Amino acid sequence: LAKTTQPISMDSYEGQEVNITCSHNNIATNDYITWYQQFPSQGPRFIIQGYKTKVTNEVASLFIPADRKSSTLSLPRVSLSDTAVYYCLVGDRPIGAAGNKLTFGGGTRVLVKP
Amino acid sequence: GAGVSQSPSNKVTEKGKDVELRCDPISGHTALYWYRQSLGQGLEFLIYFQGNSAPDKSGLPSDRFSAERTGGSVSTLTIQRTQQEDSAVYLCASSPHWSPQETQYFGPGTRLLVL
Repeated sequence: LAKTTQPISMDSYEGQEVNITCSHNNIATNDYITWYQQFPSQGPRFIIQGYKTKVTNEVASLFIPADRKSSTLSLPRVSLSDTAVYYCLVGDRPIGAAGNKLTFGGGTRVLVKP
Repeated sequence: GAGVSQSPSNKVTEKGKDVELRCDPISGHTALYWYRQSLGQGLEFLIYFQGNSAPDKSGLPSDRFSAERTGGSVSTLTIQRTQQEDSAVYLCASSPHWSPQETQYFGPGTRLLVL
């Protein structure tokens, strides 16, 4: 499974755009990129998923360059309630396939300030 | 519709006791996953079920951990002879089918504290 690297933390202010980049240099042809959001004391929540180019939904946009070795989650005009941990996940194999442990990693802690 | 539910939401136990955690996936979801999140850490995958079968149990931290799923629905994660390092939030997720492209829907988790 492709290993991902994200910044540990990021601060922003209300109304600003937040961009979190995830590196996945070993991404394979069949891999998809998925981002999750987790608030304290809650389970992770699916945000967005993409394979290449740009994907946009009501919550965020996901930018994936042509080489797919990284991806950027963009949160437009963040509010205080967007303070959370954001996880980047890359994989194509069934989770838990022999020898593979799927770990989300530490994620990126985003703190939105007033 | 109803999401993934887990019970209990919080569990405090004494070292050495057994605990059982329950997960009710979204109705009709064939795939079910268990994760663990320790304080300040990311998610650690434990085990998954495709239907009632768990093809790979190597993600379980030790032989004190076991999981089962019956009827293709409810799953239980059992921890025997709990240790303080077992303290964590245990998260369950489900997805419609067994595919990495499927979105996983997570429950609220069970917060386990071993004293």
